[in-house]
Amino acid sequence: DGGITQSPKYLFRKEGQNVTLSCEQNLNHDAMYWYRQDPGQGLRLIYYSQIVNDFQKGDIAEGYSVSREKKESFPLTVTSAQKNPTAFYLCASSIPLTYNEQFFGPGTRLTVL
Amino acid sequence: GQQLNQSPQSMFIQEGEDVSMNCTSSSIFNTWLWYKQDPGEGPVLLIALYKAGELTSNGRLTAQFGITRKDSFLNISASIPSDVGIYFCAGLTDSWGKLQFGAGTQVVVTP
Repeated sequence: DGGITQSPKYLFRKEGQNVTLSCEQNLNHDAMYWYRQDPGQGLRLIYYSQIVNDFQKGDIAEGYSVSREKKESFPLTVTSAQKNPTAFYLCASSIPLTYNEQFFGPGTRLTVL
Repeated sequence: GQQLNQSPQSMFIQEGEDVSMNCTSSSIFNTWLWYKQDPGEGPVLLIALYKAGELTSNGRLTAQFGITRKDSFLNISASIPSDVGIYFCAGLTDSWGKLQFGAGTQVVVTP
């Protein structure tokens, strides 16, 4: 079945360590996105990519980095520079310009101890 | 940043009742999307709206794209326990897909 997978579901890291969250899609979507969700809040855009080897900062990119070497994959690295990294991270994908619906993965809950 | 005002913030309703929530913005949107999120899961797309005035249904769900293009509402008829969750509106101003999200409406259904 086509879909978006994120791994792991739960992730624990010590403060000061970088950590990479995985996002893979087999929907053949060109665009991919990373969002952060904090309790009781909506989704905030971290980074997005419209095409392979290109990505743009979203509204809260500081302390995060991404790469888009393959169409199917859009990993997010939470660096030690991110001041408050504990959150629920969601990856999404879409076919921009044609269909604007974004489809989300199941999310990764990151807890920094 | 976030430009959408979603209300109400939460709703406690009895099974069988209808639910209504809305999103408003100071900006004009080209697309409105409504999502439902269960605890610990990713949002699931419920309805997509593309034209001002458009009214679209998906089972017991009905959503409308406001005439002014600055608002949208979602109705759930005859609520059931599995309707529990957080409902998000999302609006699109760009052609390529950068969504703005509302803060969500928490729906709790009691038997």
